[in-house]
Amino acid sequence: AQTVTQSQPEMSVQEAETVTLSCTYDTSENNYYLFWYKQPPSRQMILVIRQEAYKQQNATENRFSVNFQKAAKSFSLKISDSQLGDTAMYFCAFMKHGFTGTASKLTFGTGTRLQVTL
Amino acid sequence: GAGVSQSPSNKVTEKGKDVELRCDPISGHTALYWYRQSLGQGLEFLIYFQGNSAPDKSGLPSDRFSAERTGGSVSTLTIQRTQQEDSAVYLCASSLTLAGQETQYFGPGTRLLVL
Repeated sequence: AQTVTQSQPEMSVQEAETVTLSCTYDTSENNYYLFWYKQPPSRQMILVIRQEAYKQQNATENRFSVNFQKAAKSFSLKISDSQLGDTAMYFCAFMKHGFTGTASKLTFGTGTRLQVTL
Repeated sequence: GAGVSQSPSNKVTEKGKDVELRCDPISGHTALYWYRQSLGQGLEFLIYFQGNSAPDKSGLPSDRFSAERTGGSVSTLTIQRTQQEDSAVYLCASSLTLAGQETQYFGPGTRLLVL
C-alpha cells in the first residue's frame, strides 16, 4: 500500500514571494505518477502539475515547479511569484502506473492550506 | 470541452433516507472514479469503473454504498439508509487509460449533509 505525507497543515506567503510545499511518499512500486492538485474554496480539484517517476527532469508549469527526489521519495511543489488566486488547499497525490487499458486510484496526502497575503 | 459534471451540487437528507449522486464524465474517458472527502478522513477512494465494470470496489465503506455505470458514461453512487457519518463531499473524476494520459480530472463534487 502507498502512503502520502504532507507535514505542513498550513502555510502563508506574501504576494509575489516564493513558497515551497512538502510531500513525501512511501511505495514499493517503481513506476508511478505524482501529482499536485489545488482545491480552492469552490472545492473544484484542479490539476496543478504532474510528474512521471521514470523522468529525472523535474516538471514545470509556468510559476509551478517540482523538486522530485525519487531515492528520497520526496516531491515538493514550488510556487513562484505567488498570487492571491493561489490561495487554496494543495494536495499531493500518488498513482501507480497501470498497464495500458487499466486505471489506478489516487492516494492523497492530508493537504496543505496555503494563504497568499498582500 | 466540457469537464466532469456532478449533480446535485448540494444534498440535505434525513438519516435513514436513500440518496443518489450522479457523475457525468468527460466524453470519451473510459475510467471513472468516486472519492469521498470528509473532515475526519481526508480524501478517500471509494470505487472506480473501467467501462461499465468496477474492478476495484475496495474503498466502499459498507454495503449501504453501491455504484453503477451505464453505457460507459454516466455513473450513479447510491447510499442507502444514510447515516450522519456519511456527511461529506463526494467527488467524481474521470480519465483516459492510455499510457501517459491517466491524469484524473475532477468534477465540482456533491456536498451531502445527513441530518
